[in-house]
Amino acid sequence: QKEVEQNSGPLSVPEGAIASLNCTYSDRGSQSFFWYRQYSGKSPELIMSIYSNGDKEDGRFTAQLNKASQYVSLLIRDSQPSDSATYLCAVTPDTKLVFGAGTILRVKS
Amino acid sequence: GAVVSQHPSRVICKSGTSVKIECRSLDFQATTMFWYRQFPKQSLMLMATSNEGSKATYEQGVEKDKFLINHASLTLSTLTVTSAHPEDSSFYICSATNPDKTNYGYTFGSGTRLTVV
Repeated sequence: QKEVEQNSGPLSVPEGAIASLNCTYSDRGSQSFFWYRQYSGKSPELIMSIYSNGDKEDGRFTAQLNKASQYVSLLIRDSQPSDSATYLCAVTPDTKLVFGAGTILRVKS
Repeated sequence: GAVVSQHPSRVICKSGTSVKIECRSLDFQATTMFWYRQFPKQSLMLMATSNEGSKATYEQGVEKDKFLINHASLTLSTLTVTSAHPEDSSFYICSATNPDKTNYGYTFGSGTRLTVV
């Protein structure tokens, strides 16, 4: 079983719609959870971090964490073509950051 | 905000030569640095974790004698790919953090595209 699992996609949504990205993890001891966006050929950039159960909102982005279900998600409201990228879920089973395979998001105008 | 500088951004080397990649934290003390490798259309795979002043911890399957990591100061870590071969061609990315800080984050360098010919 992989430590962090994501649907590889691609997930296609129309411009203005809500994109929902999901991630599950295996280590119950994980304390920190992150969503990164990566454009082709570039380094990942941090979108959201979340540390406790519930929702965390930042602009068009909402991260949701459910530690009991070992599940973390990212909602992107009012999706824009510029949001088209690979979204990486990452967790910290200890001090190191472990990534999922990433979900490709395509926003169609 | 925290900034990590990684150099070079691109390097082309001949098979059999060695290449050094530098990762510097510019405005914070990075007690821990990570090195990742990313092949096309794949995710970031952790290669090793380095803590300042101690030997790096390598992930399973990563050759420590081929990928030499040095973390001699709180702001600099280097990755040297020794006797590089075409299969080592990849995108190498460093990340720095300070676990002593509450809710510490991970700051990534801009990556190094290595091509071995």
